[in-house]
Amino acid sequence: QVQLQESGPGLVKPSQTLSLTCSVSGDSITSGGYYWSWIRQHPGKGLEWIGYIYYSGSTYYNPSLESRVTISSDTSENQFSLKLSSVTAADTAMYYCARSLWGYAFHFWGQGTLVTVSS
Amino acid sequence: QSALTQPPSASGSPGHSVTISCTGTSSDVGAYNYVSWYQQHPGKAPKLMIYEVTKRPSGVPDRFSGSKSDNTASLTVSGLQAEDEADYYCSSYAGNNNLVFGGGTKVTVL
Repeated sequence: QVQLQESGPGLVKPSQTLSLTCSVSGDSITSGGYYWSWIRQHPGKGLEWIGYIYYSGSTYYNPSLESRVTISSDTSENQFSLKLSSVTAADTAMYYCARSLWGYAFHFWGQGTLVTVSS
Repeated sequence: QSALTQPPSASGSPGHSVTISCTGTSSDVGAYNYVSWYQQHPGKAPKLMIYEVTKRPSGVPDRFSGSKSDNTASLTVSGLQAEDEADYYCSSYAGNNNLVFGGGTKVTVL
């Protein structure tokens, strides 16, 4: 069974860079065919897809966040990471990592980590 | 891309059915059979209930079913149970590697 676990600071100052890591167990992030995504949920609101890293290492980001987002992977640690630069209070959200096949059906999710942007 | 449109709330009595709509455009829901539905209980991560419009992951009860007509997808929960009370979100592939979610529907079991 695939398990994902997010980790990172719960509090980030405005204008700084938010950095989160998703640790994966039960599968290799280099397994063929899988997309490893970050998704966020603002408090009391709906879901917003941030972007993915494919097993091959290629990435794609939500156009609305593209200028501030970087997703990378560490295959030796079986982890992938999210960096979101120049954060504001509007980036306060629960951040989830998830796995999908093509078509964006997220069968496996992490439990989520709450990130608050505040001075 | 714009978010998919879902009704904010829906309700039904135990044992009855409730259907949630998810309206998009000819560029997302209408163009691809990559519509998914997620159930989210308070404080929990979303759980995949339906994918590729009609498919159920292993372990999801067959009380949950999905369909699509033109630019609108639907999730039907039959034989409502207390544990079905949750928020439900739809999503659709929108082309060019993009994904769009709906705003969510709160289902109440009366």
